[in-house]
Amino acid sequence: DAGVIQSPRHEVTEMGQEVTLRCKPISGHNSLFWYRQTMMRGLELLIYFNNNVPIDDSGMPEDRFSAKMPNASFSTLKIQPSEPRDSAVYFCASSPALAGVNEQFFGPGTRLTVL
Amino acid sequence: AQKVTQAQTEISVVEKEDVTLDCVYETRDTTYYLFWYKQPPSGELVFLIRRNSFDEQNEISGRYSWNFQKSTSSFNFTITASQVVDSAVYFCALSEASNDYKLSFGAGTTVTVRA
Repeated sequence: DAGVIQSPRHEVTEMGQEVTLRCKPISGHNSLFWYRQTMMRGLELLIYFNNNVPIDDSGMPEDRFSAKMPNASFSTLKIQPSEPRDSAVYFCASSPALAGVNEQFFGPGTRLTVL
Repeated sequence: AQKVTQAQTEISVVEKEDVTLDCVYETRDTTYYLFWYKQPPSGELVFLIRRNSFDEQNEISGRYSWNFQKSTSSFNFTITASQVVDSAVYFCALSEASNDYKLSFGAGTTVTVRA
């Protein structure tokens, strides 16, 4: 079975550019999560969806960040405009049930570098 | 306030030594879940175990074992006869009903196993 798929795996961009990160959750999972990992702040939950509906976006740092889940098999996290402090590893995870009751399965991550 | 404390930032051991990773959590909920994840140098997050608050039985899986003690709010993880492949960052996480079961991660403990 395919796990959570993220693309791209690495992204290098210049400040001010738009960045779009993509995620395909595990088929049949109805919860999807976006996390950011940095040395300073560790793993932070940015937003999570249940049945394609955003449930909690309180972790989204600024209006420059937005996330969508147009269907059960695809989600995007967009940063516009990007800034150097957005450099981090962004993880997508999916779960067969709501939030942390069941384990979350993580994708390989996208390493974003904003110059 | 930090909900999950992993006091050990780094642990270095020689192969075949046992290593115990401490995890102390804080919650007022009676229903909650505890998790351990492994992040090897390749970067992905791998689920290891989930434990609910009503099940204090210790668990063993191969060389891995977990000691859950509600009395001390701890969920410690022991690797027996460590191997070089165990080198990774290990995260403890908590999900609580009062926090919509969102995962709160500890800062992680970096384990280095030397040959």
